Order: sequence, then C-alpha cells, then structure tokens
Amino acid sequence: DAGVTQSPTHLIKTRGQQVTLRCSPKSGHDTVSWYQQALGQGPQFIFQYYEEEERQRGNFPDRFSGHQFPNYSSELNVNALLLGDSALYLCASSLGWTSYEQYFGPGTRLTVT
Amino acid sequence: AQSVAQPEDQVNVAEGNPLTVKCTYSVSGNPYLFWYVQYPNRGLQFLLKYITGDNLVKGSYGFEAEFNKSQTSFHLKKPSALVSDSALYFCAVSGLTGGGNKLTFGTGTQLKVEL
Repeated sequence: DAGVTQSPTHLIKTRGQQVTLRCSPKSGHDTVSWYQQALGQGPQFIFQYYEEEERQRGNFPDRFSGHQFPNYSSELNVNALLLGDSALYLCASSLGWTSYEQYFGPGTRLTVT
Repeated sequence: AQSVAQPEDQVNVAEGNPLTVKCTYSVSGNPYLFWYVQYPNRGLQFLLKYITGDNLVKGSYGFEAEFNKSQTSFHLKKPSALVSDSALYFCAVSGLTGGGNKLTFGTGTQLKVEL
C-alpha cells in the first residue's frame, strides 16, 4: 500500500522564481492538505483540497496556490519566491476533509537563494 | 482560533527512565488532539490521537498520552525510554473549524534519550 509521496525531494530556486511541488495521496485518500515547516518551527497549514476545490486556507498570501486533479493528486505553486519561503513543504492526505486520520509524506525541501 | 503550546524546547532523559513531553491546547468546542514524531529529514509519523472516550490514549511504539480537560493538557508519556526514541515531537490540535481537519501544531520538543 503506497503511502503519501512527494516530488521532488529537494529543490533550489532563486528569489523571484516560481516553483511547483507535487503530492500523491495515500491509496484510497481523496483529500490533500499542504503544510509549510520552517526551520525550527512546527508545520503551518497552507490549504486543503477536496473534490478539486480549495476547502480551507491558512494565513498565507495569494502567491501560494494549489490544484487538485481528478486522481486526487495535488500541486502546490509558489510565485515570486522570497528567501522566507525556504522550508520543508509537507503534504498530508486523508479520506474526507473531516477525517481525523491524516498521513504525511516525507516532504520537499525548498531552498530559495 | 486554536493553538498548541509545547513549553519545553528539549527534554533529556536516560534510557530506561520514564519520559514526559508536555502539551497544552486552546480550542473552541471539543478538542481533537494528536502527537506526531519527526526524525531528521523525514516527514511526520502519527503516534496517537484523542477524539473522545478514555482520557488515557495508547499509541504506537509504547507511547501513551493523557488528556486532561480541566488543565487543557495532552502530555505524551512512555514508561521506559529508548535511545531510538530520540526525535522531534509535535503536539497538534484540530477543532474541525470551518468543517475541515486543519491541524495546528506546536513548535515541537526535541527529545534526547541518552545511555
């Protein structure tokens, strides 16, 4: 049973560039949430997708956007990258957007120089 | 708004001794509480959750947590620590605000178990 997978593992970008991160949920899960974990901090909720719609959003600027595909996989896009966007980006999946069981992927480490 | 506090940045304990990692929470309505563990350069692994029922919750790898409503606490415990338990531990709360299962995490507690 495949768990949550994320790609790429690591990424280095320059300020002002755009980046796309990808997530495939655990088999059978239909909901994907994205979190940002800055160094030394706990994960911060970015947004959640269910039925290809953004259902909840955290306190992140519009530079952060996402998408969910019919196969439930998801993308996180960040435009006009800032140095402060450097972080570990975690994807979590669940069956339904109110489920208590969320499974996390290994994350994508984004470094902005 | 929901929030979690983990008052200790680091906890040191000798192998074989009991360990406690502290967590307090604030949420409107019934709290749904979680503990996750993170090893270096890895994602989060689920340890246990409290939704309803018994205040003592048992989870993975011998960990347990005690829910205390009056003190709004959800401390993580283990009777006998192992060196392999050394990792970063996060407490999280979900109040199902807005209908979704958004998690709010604490800042984490680094657990170091020494021989």
